[in-house]
Amino acid sequence: GAGVSQSPSNKVTEKGKDVELRCDPISGHTALYWYRQSLGQGLEFLIYFQGNSAPDKSGLPSDRFSAERTGGSVSTLTIQRTQQEDSAVYLCASSLRTSGSEQFFGPGTRLTVL
Amino acid sequence: TQLLEQSPQFLSIQEGENLTVYCNSSSVFSSLQWYRQEPGEGPVLLVTVVTGGEVKKLKRLTFQFGDARKDSSLHITAAQPGDTGLYLCAGARNYGQNFVFGPGTRLSVLP
Repeated sequence: GAGVSQSPSNKVTEKGKDVELRCDPISGHTALYWYRQSLGQGLEFLIYFQGNSAPDKSGLPSDRFSAERTGGSVSTLTIQRTQQEDSAVYLCASSLRTSGSEQFFGPGTRLTVL
Repeated sequence: TQLLEQSPQFLSIQEGENLTVYCNSSSVFSSLQWYRQEPGEGPVLLVTVVTGGEVKKLKRLTFQFGDARKDSSLHITAAQPGDTGLYLCAGARNYGQNFVFGPGTRLSVLP
């Protein structure tokens, strides 16, 4: 499809395990964002990639969270030693550029940490 | 403390009623966006406003950007069940900066 895709759609894991969440942005979009959305809440910014520039990691809540974007396309968000408070929907978005561009969101990955 | 506040937090109305939801800040924004998010999906952009006092209409939806560019409102006329969802505003302080999202207004339109 032409939209942003994310996998898996749902992930259930045990406390202390590591998880990897994948995002495939729209082809040609240079900007990629990760957000976290807790139940019934708004979007919490996590990390932003723009082209070949160093990513803006200012929203990552702890050093257990990290993200990579390989080849300027696919991105992986990794959460190490998951905690119950990490349970949320993780949304990825891409845009043609930053500065006022429309962000196109994927459907999200619902992470549940038992 | 949220950079953007949205009110009300929750709103439940009957089909056919009109409603207004608000997005407020003490900061000035170069541009502001409204998104709608339906259950199980990602947010979808409704509109971008960039000029103080700007009014944009999208069918039954009317968006206004405050003169001082610190606030915005979304008015829906004759609400329909299909309008149900989470309405998020997002603002960029300066050109080139990322957008910051508000906590959203959860709207439920009952048939």
